[in-house]
Amino acid sequence: EAQVTQNPRYLITVTGKKLTVTCSQNMNHEYMSWYRQDPGLGLRQIYYSMNVEVTDKGDVPEGYKVSRKEKRNFPLILESPSPNQTSLYFCASRKLANAESSEQYFGPGTRLTVT
Amino acid sequence: AQSVTQLDSQVPVFEEAPVELRCNYSSSVSVYLFWYVQYPNQGLQLLLKYLSGSTLVKGINGFEAEFNKSQTSFHLRKPSVHISDTAEYFCAVSVPGDTGRRALTFGSGTRLQVQP
Repeated sequence: EAQVTQNPRYLITVTGKKLTVTCSQNMNHEYMSWYRQDPGLGLRQIYYSMNVEVTDKGDVPEGYKVSRKEKRNFPLILESPSPNQTSLYFCASRKLANAESSEQYFGPGTRLTVT
Repeated sequence: AQSVTQLDSQVPVFEEAPVELRCNYSSSVSVYLFWYVQYPNQGLQLLLKYLSGSTLVKGINGFEAEFNKSQTSFHLRKPSVHISDTAEYFCAVSVPGDTGRRALTFGSGTRLQVQP
């Protein structure tokens, strides 16, 4: 089954404690992206990657890091989480060819609470 | 740059009633248009999209949307909703030829609440 998986689904942590949210897709998609969803703001892009070892900032990259060492994986790293990073996070992937017209596939989301 | 406005943050409706969720966009160039749905505790999934051609687009679960270029709108409609349609709906746009980072620009979402 084609899917995007994220782990963990729920995470409560404290300010400053480094954490990683994993994302994996089994569709051989070149493009992967991280979004955060906040009430009234919709989804905002954090980082994206157009292929292995190619990553770039989205609209709200501050406080986040990513890496793309393998095509299927795109982890999101919070080196020193702060309460304003409490949010619902989504990983997504799509093929790169005709990217702008193709469907983006989303993971189930990770709800992060930073106290 | 593109932007998407979903004027209604919440739309309550009774079961079997029709519903329209509004979406307006702003762009200096032609765009592709999408509607995604997010069911409780799930990720987003594609409902329908408009790329070109007929301005009336049919999607999954009985939804349809109409592209109106002059009004820069892409409203989503369903003639008779079910309880299972309760979800958050997102309108999004992308720009033809833009294979870069901004694959999709999302609106703020509309929560559809279907009541028995």
